[in-house]
Amino acid sequence: NAGVMQNPRHLVRRRGQEARLRCSPMKGHSHVYWYRQLPEEGLKFMVYLQKENIIDESGMPKERFSAEFPKEGPSILRIQQVVRGDSAAYFCASSPLGTGEETQYFGPGTRLLVL
Amino acid sequence: AQSVTQLDSQVPVFEEAPVELRCNYSSSVSVYLFWYVQYPNQGLQLLLKYLSGSTLVKGINGFEAEFNKSQTSFHLRKPSVHISDTAEYFCAVGGKGTYKYIFGTGTRLKVLA
Repeated sequence: NAGVMQNPRHLVRRRGQEARLRCSPMKGHSHVYWYRQLPEEGLKFMVYLQKENIIDESGMPKERFSAEFPKEGPSILRIQQVVRGDSAAYFCASSPLGTGEETQYFGPGTRLLVL
Repeated sequence: AQSVTQLDSQVPVFEEAPVELRCNYSSSVSVYLFWYVQYPNQGLQLLLKYLSGSTLVKGINGFEAEFNKSQTSFHLRKPSVHISDTAEYFCAVGGKGTYKYIFGTGTRLKVLA
């Protein structure tokens, strides 16, 4: 059973460009979470999605960031007009039911570097 | 509101020595507690979790943790560490009725030969 897949693993962008990060949840999981890990910090919740629905985006910056989880295909975290402060590791996690006691299974992350 | 504190940012320890990584939390709801390990440039792997029941939880790779409600702690322990345990360890809290994990800032365990 394949785990959570994220790609690309590493992404380099220049300031002002767009970054698209993809996440395929574990088979049978319909709940996806995105977290951001800034250098030397823990992970911070960004957004929680189910298929075709954003359930909670309270951790997302108000501008330039968006997320989707379409009926078919991976979840996408999109960052428009990237700035140096967006450099971080972005982790996706998935779970089957979306309840608090579940284990969230994490992908290997996408490490974004903005030049 | 929930929060997690990992007091030690780095813990050096010699191989085969015991280690304890500290985690304290605060929460207004019933908590679920997790320890994850992150090896360099990799994702997070679950070591163990506490949902309810026995306060001593055993996980993978010989780790265990004890839930102490009165001290609001969930410290991670291993009686004898290996070089391969060198990694960053994150404590996280979830709760009944919430799907969000709140992570601590991590403890970097460095096992010395």
